[in-house]
Amino acid sequence: NAGVMQNPRHLVRRRGQEARLRCSPMKGHSHVYWYRQLPEEGLKFMVYLQKENIIDESGMPKERFSAEFPKEGPSILRIQQVVRGDSAAYFCASSYRDRDSEQYFGPGTRLTVT
Amino acid sequence: RKEVEQDPGPFNVPEGATVAFNCTYSNSASQSFFWYRQDCRKEPKLLMSVYSSGNEDGRFTAQLNRASQYISLLIRDSKLSDSATYLCVVTGYSNASKIIFGSGTRLSIQP
Repeated sequence: NAGVMQNPRHLVRRRGQEARLRCSPMKGHSHVYWYRQLPEEGLKFMVYLQKENIIDESGMPKERFSAEFPKEGPSILRIQQVVRGDSAAYFCASSYRDRDSEQYFGPGTRLTVT
Repeated sequence: RKEVEQDPGPFNVPEGATVAFNCTYSNSASQSFFWYRQDCRKEPKLLMSVYSSGNEDGRFTAQLNRASQYISLLIRDSKLSDSATYLCVVTGYSNASKIIFGSGTRLSIQP
């Protein structure tokens, strides 16, 4: 069974550009979660999605950030007009059931904004 | 008070020793609890779920104390490969049923 896949693994963007991060959940998982981890800090929950639905986006910044999980294809975390403070590791996780069940993480995307 | 708190450590422990650390949570309605480990610059990996009755997996034992609102992780006969940051996760409280990761406890096993 393939695990959670994320790409790209590393992404460099200049300030003002857009960043698109992709996440393919484990086979059979329909619940996806995005987290951000700043250097030397803990994981912060951003958003929880099921197919075609955003269930909880309470951790998402109000501006510039959006997420989707279409019926077909990977989940996408989109950051518009990136700033230096967006530089972080972004992890995606998936679960078979709801958020009270075990989550399995992808390898992460390291975003660097120059 | 933070919703989920962990002693950041580091815990420097000799190989073969037993080490334990706790994670406290603030909301008594929390439902699900997990321990993850995270190696430097890698993704968190699920270590074990924490059940009300406690659970054991090899050298690792997890306990839940609802009365005092904490979970614990005990590692026996520690190995060098146990060096990592251990994260506790608490979910399932309030209508929003948030997912909260602790900031982690760093463990370093010394040869």
